[in-house]
Amino acid sequence: SQQGEEDPQALSIQEGENATMNCSYKTSINNLQWYRQNSGRGLVHLILIRSNEREKHSGRLRVTLDTSKKSSSLLITASRAADTASYFCATDGGGGFKTIFGAGTRLFVKA
Amino acid sequence: GAVVSQHPSRVICKSGTSVKIECRSLDFQATTMFWYRQFPKQSLMLMATSNEGSKATYEQGVEKDKFLINHASLTLSTLTVTSAHPEDSSFYICSAKSGGSSYEQYFGPGTRLTVT
Repeated sequence: SQQGEEDPQALSIQEGENATMNCSYKTSINNLQWYRQNSGRGLVHLILIRSNEREKHSGRLRVTLDTSKKSSSLLITASRAADTASYFCATDGGGGFKTIFGAGTRLFVKA
Repeated sequence: GAVVSQHPSRVICKSGTSVKIECRSLDFQATTMFWYRQFPKQSLMLMATSNEGSKATYEQGVEKDKFLINHASLTLSTLTVTSAHPEDSSFYICSAKSGGSSYEQYFGPGTRLTVT
C-alpha cells in the first residue's frame, strides 16, 4: 500500500481544545510533511520536518518526528472551528522524489 | 508562493467519453508533475509521475492506456481519462515541483470528475 497509517481516523473536539493527530510510515525518509485539506478542495502545506529534526513549531502547530518509531504527530493548540478539515501526513519514501500520503485524520472542531 | 491551477474544476461526462484535465504551473517551471486521485473521505493515491518531455511513470495498478498523461511543456501537464466509466468518478489533484533538490511541491485545487 502507498499509504502509511494515521490515527485517529476522525476526531471531534470543542473549540479551544487541543487536537493531536498521529502518523506512522513504513520506509526510511528524508522528510515528512503535514497538509490540510478542506472538504472538496486542494491541499495546503502546513509544515515540513526533516529526518534529523525532532520537533518543529509554526504558530499553533507543533510537529514531532520519531524516526526510530517511524511516526510523527501534529498538535494543533487552541483549536478553532476554522481548523475543521482533513489532515494528512506525507513522506518522500526516502527517495526524495515522490510524495506518499497517509490515510488522513478528519478533524471536526465544534464551536 | 508558487501557484498551480487545474482546469476544469468540475466536469460531468457520459460513460464512454474522454475527459482532459489540465494542470498548469503559473509562476514557475515544473520539471516534474504528479497526478493523484482521491475517493471520498480517503487519502490521495499517487497515479503517475510526469517529467517534461518524457513518458510518465505510472504507479502499480494504474492503467496507462486509460489515464493518458502528457507533459508537453515546463508549465503544463494534462491527464486524459479515456473511455470513462462511473468508477472513474473521483477527485483528481495534480502537483508540481520546480526540480533540483527542492522538496517543495505545490498542489492544484483539484478537479471533480463525475461520470454518468
